[in-house]
Amino acid sequence: GNSVTQMEGPVTLSEEAFLTINCTYTATGYPSLFWYVQYPGEGLQLLLKATKADDKGSNKGFEATYRKETTSFHLEKGSVQVSDSAVYFCALRGQGAQKLVFGQGTRLTINP
Amino acid sequence: DTAVSQTPKYLVTQMGNDKSIKCEQNLGHDTMYWYKQDSKKFLKIMFSYNNKELIINETVPNRFSPKSPDKAHLNLHINSLELGDSAVYFCASSQPGTNEKLFFGSGTQLSVL
Repeated sequence: GNSVTQMEGPVTLSEEAFLTINCTYTATGYPSLFWYVQYPGEGLQLLLKATKADDKGSNKGFEATYRKETTSFHLEKGSVQVSDSAVYFCALRGQGAQKLVFGQGTRLTINP
Repeated sequence: DTAVSQTPKYLVTQMGNDKSIKCEQNLGHDTMYWYKQDSKKFLKIMFSYNNKELIINETVPNRFSPKSPDKAHLNLHINSLELGDSAVYFCASSQPGTNEKLFFGSGTQLSVL
């Protein structure tokens, strides 16, 4: 079945550091890929998405590129802020499927 | 206005009790979901309804019963609560189509003592 594997957390960085959170997936066909973010005490919010190979999703300085050859969708940000501290979830929806499958989440803490 | 709202936010109860969590969305979406998030933040789908019809039912104990009185509401009733049911339960909604975005509620933290 479809699955998503994320980099183990927690990840702790200093403000203005470069961020990468790795995400790889297993799926048949052409899934759509997503990053969701969960701030403390809140529900998940969509951060960005990509629906086909080589697409780049971007939002709030975050980017992720859909790489079919490596089945990856790594999340990057050039300069993180304290306000980026949250749990980040990589997710996929299989081609034609209803269900969104989430990775295990990566907790990110940014120190001033 | 809150798009997806769930109540209560916190629920503390004894083993063996029966409890319900309510969810409402004002986005006009046709599809609603219940997800369970465990203590390690792992998020897993439990149920999904499309326009009041059950379309996804993952391997969840029969003690969990969703009910959708109309497409704007999806409630979750849990019978005979067990310690392992302690988790955060999230309601979400989306509009069917290609790659639709999920809108999540802020969660209900259930603690079974």
